[in-house]
Amino acid sequence: AAGVIQSPRHLIKEKRETATLKCYPIPRHDTVYWYQQGPGQDPQFLISFYEKMQSDKGSIPDRFSAQQFSDYHSELNMSSLELGDSALYFCASSSRRGSSYNEQFFGPGTRLTVL
Amino acid sequence: AQSVSQHNHHVILSEAASLELGCNYSYGGTVNLFWYVQYPGQHLQLLLKYFSGDPLVKGIKGFEAEFIKSKFSFNLRKPSVQWSDTAEYFCAVNWGGSTLGRLYFGRGTQLTVWP
Repeated sequence: AAGVIQSPRHLIKEKRETATLKCYPIPRHDTVYWYQQGPGQDPQFLISFYEKMQSDKGSIPDRFSAQQFSDYHSELNMSSLELGDSALYFCASSSRRGSSYNEQFFGPGTRLTVL
Repeated sequence: AQSVSQHNHHVILSEAASLELGCNYSYGGTVNLFWYVQYPGQHLQLLLKYFSGDPLVKGIKGFEAEFIKSKFSFNLRKPSVQWSDTAEYFCAVNWGGSTLGRLYFGRGTQLTVWP
């Protein structure tokens, strides 16, 4: 079965650079979530989109922005990177239709290292 | 504020031992409850979920969890662990209503099973 795809899997950037993370949800899923997992920490919700509109916003820094495109893939744009942004960034997708409503399927994550 | 607590950060067991991992959440209301597992180098995978109905939920790989509303708990159990159960386990909660699906995670429990 198709899963959530994230790219790149690994990314190394320097301070003050920008980064773009991509997420391709499971086909026919209409909702995308982004989470950040720092070293030894639990995943923290950043932002979510439903049908290409922002549906919820968590602890996402102002330096970050995200959007969901017409094909439902999502991109997380991160600017002025800081050392503390080094983390594993997970994307998850779900569908508001059917019995699996609100069940989130996670991608493999993008490991961002900021030097 | 919503929060999720996992009592044990690291559990070490021998094969065939029984497992119980604790999970409590901060307050009531309508909740959807999840346990995810993260095998080394892999993404989060759903073990089981509770939305409503029978508070004893059975998941994959012989895991089960019991929702006790009065204790705000959703503990994970397995009667006999295997070496292949070595992984990190995350409890996650979604509060119904305005949170629109965002998950709040516990800090995770690293389970190590010795053969």
